[in-house]
Amino acid sequence: EVQLVESGGGLVQPGGSLRLSCAASGFIFSSCEMNWVRQAPGKGLEWVSYISDSGRTIYYADSVKGRFTISRDNAKNSLYLQMNSLRAEDTAVYYCATATAPPFYYMDVWGKGTTVTVSS
Amino acid sequence: SYELTQPLSVSVALGQTARITCGGNNIGSKNVHWYQQKPGQAPVLVIYRDSNRPSGIPERFSGSNSGNTATLTISRVQAGDEADYYCQVWDSKAVFGGGTLLTVL
Repeated sequence: EVQLVESGGGLVQPGGSLRLSCAASGFIFSSCEMNWVRQAPGKGLEWVSYISDSGRTIYYADSVKGRFTISRDNAKNSLYLQMNSLRAEDTAVYYCATATAPPFYYMDVWGKGTTVTVSS
Repeated sequence: SYELTQPLSVSVALGQTARITCGGNNIGSKNVHWYQQKPGQAPVLVIYRDSNRPSGIPERFSGSNSGNTATLTISRVQAGDEADYYCQVWDSKAVFGGGTLLTVL
C-alpha cells in the first residue's frame, strides 16, 4: 500500500524552528518527486516546496523562501522540511505529497498531515 | 503572479450535475488538476491534466479546459461528493484556486 506519514509537528514560539518528516512506503521513493503543501485553519491549500527525485531541483513558495529548507534521504525513504524563523502565519496542517515534475505538476498521493502551531 | 478564481460555493440537487469553474488568464494553455477535500481529511486528486481520472475515481468526475476557464463536472451527484474542490496549475510554482464548497441539496 502506498503510504506517506508526516511527523514532527507541534507548538513552537514565533521565531523558533521545527523539522517535519515524511516517511514513504509502498513505492519507489527514490524515483518520485515530492512536495509539501500546507493549509491554515479554515483556509485553502497553499503549496510550500518541491524537490526532484534526485534532490537536485528545488522550488519554494515566496512566503517561505529563505526560511524553509526541503530535503530528502532516499536511503531512508524520507522527506523533510526544516522550518526556521517561524511566524504565526505559518500555523497550518502540513501535508507531504508525491508530485510529478513541472510543467504537468500534480500531486497524486498525500499523507494525512501534521499540525504546526506557531504561538507564544 | 498567476491567480486562479473559483466560486466560493456551488449547490446542486442530489442526482443532478455539478459544474465547478476555475478561471485564469489563458488557463487553456496550462495543465489543470482538481482535488477533492472532505472535512478533516487530506486532499484527493480527482482529475489530472485537464481531463484524466486517476484509478479509483468514478467516471462521474470529468474535466475540461479551454480559453480562460477550466471546469470540473460531477454527474449524478451523490451525498458523498459534498466537499471542497480545488483547482491547481503550475506557473513557475504550484498555484491553487481558493476552493469551492460543493453542497448537495
